[in-house]
Amino acid sequence: EPEVTQTPSHQVTQMGQEVILRCVPISNHLYFYWYRQILGQKVEFLVSFYNNEISEKSEIFDDQFSVERPDGSNFTLKIRSTKLEDSAMYFCASRADINTEAFFGQGTRLTVV
Amino acid sequence: SQQGEEDPQALSIQEGENATMNCSYKTSINNLQWYRQNSGRGLVHLILIRSNEREKHSGRLRVTLDTSKKSSSLLITASRAADTASYFCATDGIGSGNTGKLIFGQGTTLQVKP
Repeated sequence: EPEVTQTPSHQVTQMGQEVILRCVPISNHLYFYWYRQILGQKVEFLVSFYNNEISEKSEIFDDQFSVERPDGSNFTLKIRSTKLEDSAMYFCASRADINTEAFFGQGTRLTVV
Repeated sequence: SQQGEEDPQALSIQEGENATMNCSYKTSINNLQWYRQNSGRGLVHLILIRSNEREKHSGRLRVTLDTSKKSSSLLITASRAADTASYFCATDGIGSGNTGKLIFGQGTTLQVKP
């Protein structure tokens, strides 16, 4: 069964460093998303991406965040200068279209120290 | 903005019993989806129910949707210890600006005791 895959599963980084979280969405999907979940809290929307551009972003998604689909398969989230409060589980998701199921990856647990 | 709110926040039952979790939201929706999350793990898609549907089944899962009350319920029948997890509802909106983003509720933590 097709699935969304994310790498790495865990990432520990020093405050101020840049991190890139990687995702491979399901191959025939067209809509891509990043969400995050701070420990013990609910899942929060960060950004949606369609047709090679950001279609919507939340207030959380400020200038230190960026997304890219560098080729036909990968979808990345870059955090330019990490802060302690960026520590969270980051989930990638994809949908074939906005009326179908959203499938999530296993997540990347980011710890900023 | 729309927001899913689940209740109860925590539920503890014995194996074999049924578990019912409820979700309420504030604005009109396109779809409502339920997800399961085992501790510290990824989100597993359970079921999607469209705004024009009232009930949907998948194995031991039964989901209802009442758009007039802006609420949904997830029923797990004959629960098993392996059903122990957190359960979230997630809604997406309607209209020309809909990007398919999901708004999640706080979740219900279900413990099924063997």
